[in-house]
Amino acid sequence: QKEVEQNSGPLSVPEGAIASLNCTYSDRGSQSFFWYRQYSGKSPELIMSIYSNGDKEDGRFTAQLNKASQYVSLLIRDSQPSDSATYLCAVNNPRAGYALNFGKGTSLLVTP
Amino acid sequence: DADVTQTPRNRITKTGKRIMLECSQTKGHDRMYWYRQDPGLGLRLIYYSFDVKDINKGEISDGYSVSRQAQAKFSLSLESAIPNQTALYFCATSDSVAGRTDTQYFGPGTRLTVL
Repeated sequence: QKEVEQNSGPLSVPEGAIASLNCTYSDRGSQSFFWYRQYSGKSPELIMSIYSNGDKEDGRFTAQLNKASQYVSLLIRDSQPSDSATYLCAVNNPRAGYALNFGKGTSLLVTP
Repeated sequence: DADVTQTPRNRITKTGKRIMLECSQTKGHDRMYWYRQDPGLGLRLIYYSFDVKDINKGEISDGYSVSRQAQAKFSLSLESAIPNQTALYFCATSDSVAGRTDTQYFGPGTRLTVL
């Protein structure tokens, strides 16, 4: 089982809609969770970090964490065409100190 | 100026050549990482270093070596490049937050092609 799983997509949503991106992880010892956005050929950039169960909001973005279900999600409200990118879920690897395991990413397409 | 820089940005080389990819950072972070990214496989960890004297193998270290010359510099070497090492390589850094994995900041990447 892959340690961090994401649906590869593409996920297509109309402009102004809510995009919902999901991620599951296998190691119950993981404590740190991140969402990165990556445009084609560019480096990943941090969108959100979350460390505690519940919701964390930052502007149009909300990260949700449920450690019991080993599930992390990212909601993007009022989606814009500029949000079209690949979204990477990352989870710390307890067996590798502070290193991260990344999912393969979900491709999001926001259509005007 | 960028906080995390990588050189070269693009490199084409031949099978069997020795290649070094360099990473420098001005963020003052102790922790540095090397990843490779392949289409459909996501980011995979090659090596990581939590300080100058602490270097660890990641998921896919075979065929690679690293050197942490200083807190700010972490180099990745391919001793004898092979075509399946063609990929996009990223360096990343993170702060030393006790007991917690902190945000990783990525360099712009090096696109390596091995013919």
